[in-house]
Amino acid sequence: DQQVKQNSPSLSVQEGRISILNCDYTNSMFDYFLWYKKYPAEGPTFLISISSIKDKNEDGRFTVFLNKSAKHLSLHIVPSQPGDSAVYFCAASAGGSNYKLTFGKGTLLTVNP
Amino acid sequence: DAGVIQSPRHEVTEMGQEVTLRCKPISGHNSLFWYRQTMMRGLELLIYFNNNVPIDDSGMPEDRFSAKMPNASFSTLKIQPSEPRDSAVYFCASILTGDYGYTFGSGTRLTVV
Repeated sequence: DQQVKQNSPSLSVQEGRISILNCDYTNSMFDYFLWYKKYPAEGPTFLISISSIKDKNEDGRFTVFLNKSAKHLSLHIVPSQPGDSAVYFCAASAGGSNYKLTFGKGTLLTVNP
Repeated sequence: DAGVIQSPRHEVTEMGQEVTLRCKPISGHNSLFWYRQTMMRGLELLIYFNNNVPIDDSGMPEDRFSAKMPNASFSTLKIQPSEPRDSAVYFCASILTGDYGYTFGSGTRLTVV
């Protein structure tokens, strides 16, 4: 049973446009959410996070939105750049003293010049 | 800091052989995680240590898998005997408790033939 779902295996956008990556979760105990970015032959790197007490967090070109009632979060990248081409993983934690993360399967973003 | 260091980067072994994967976390980090990535299941948590003590090993697939953390700077994941279905990329990650932003190693790509 997948508790964190990324239903789009891939997404292709033009350079300069907005990229929107989506993630859904089923576990109501999740209260902290993160996005990771992964290039080939490298480990995932942390990108941005959001606590369940917020509905938006912004860091430069990256913004994460959280809709708790819909159990949905999204990552917006504006403007998209070719260097953003990577696999993006959504992750969630039930918080407290438990720091383990449950990951989605990832979305491959391709930004075309 | 050199980041989380995993070795070897690639391992090809025959079915039935013992395989040992190694991880050196970031100095000062006190939690360490082993994840496995496959196409079918994505990134799955195998085991999680805090202050060198295993906290959650519910993701370890079966008794063929074992993990140790003898000190704060070293961990191993052992598979004995290995099987073709163990073929995957194995990632190690570390954090300082309180920070969800894992730092991942570059992974070990294991192929069991």
